[in-house]
Amino acid sequence: NAGVTQTPKFRILKIGQSMTLQCTQDMNHNYMYWYRQDPGMGLKLIYYSVGAGITDKGEVPNGYNVSRSTTEDFPLRLELAAPSQTSVYFCASSRSGGRTGELFFGEGSRLTVL
Amino acid sequence: GESVGLHLPTLSVQEGDNSIINCAYSNSASDYFIWYKQESGKGPQFIIDIRSNMDKRQGQRVTVLLNKTVKHLSLQIAATQPGDSAVYFCAENAGGTSYGKLTFGQGTILTVHP
Repeated sequence: NAGVTQTPKFRILKIGQSMTLQCTQDMNHNYMYWYRQDPGMGLKLIYYSVGAGITDKGEVPNGYNVSRSTTEDFPLRLELAAPSQTSVYFCASSRSGGRTGELFFGEGSRLTVL
Repeated sequence: GESVGLHLPTLSVQEGDNSIINCAYSNSASDYFIWYKQESGKGPQFIIDIRSNMDKRQGQRVTVLLNKTVKHLSLQIAATQPGDSAVYFCAENAGGTSYGKLTFGQGTILTVHP
């Protein structure tokens, strides 16, 4: 069982470039999330989804976009990358919206914007 | 905004000692709390959770204590082992329509010396 899979694991972008971080889960979870983790800090929610076709903003959505066309996939799009987006990005999923169980996290995607 | 924070950013213990990691939360509406362990280069992993209608919950070698009066959460690890070395995060869920939008604390680095 693969769980939550993120790609790429590492990426370096130039300022102004765009890219998509991929996330897929094979647990048939309805809830999916994107968090970012800055050095020495906790995780901050960027976007989340409660099911296919439904997404909403989290705490720090500016500069990002998401889509949820299938239950399995929840890609995160960075448009016009900025140095402030240098961070480690974690995708997560849960069966019950984190209300009765844990979130399952991927291993992270480390992004550097130069 | 409401947030979850930690009292101690680092904790060093000897192998075999008991460890206590503390967390303060400020959102009185939070009714579900989770502790996560994050090893270097990996995503957070669920350790234990507790609901606000409880004040203590035990797992394997871990115990979570919740004091709603002072809005304080702690994680106790018994007989700490070198493999317990990691960053520990507490997270809270404010309930209602929060859809599992966890708010994470800064994290505590636990180092276990052999």
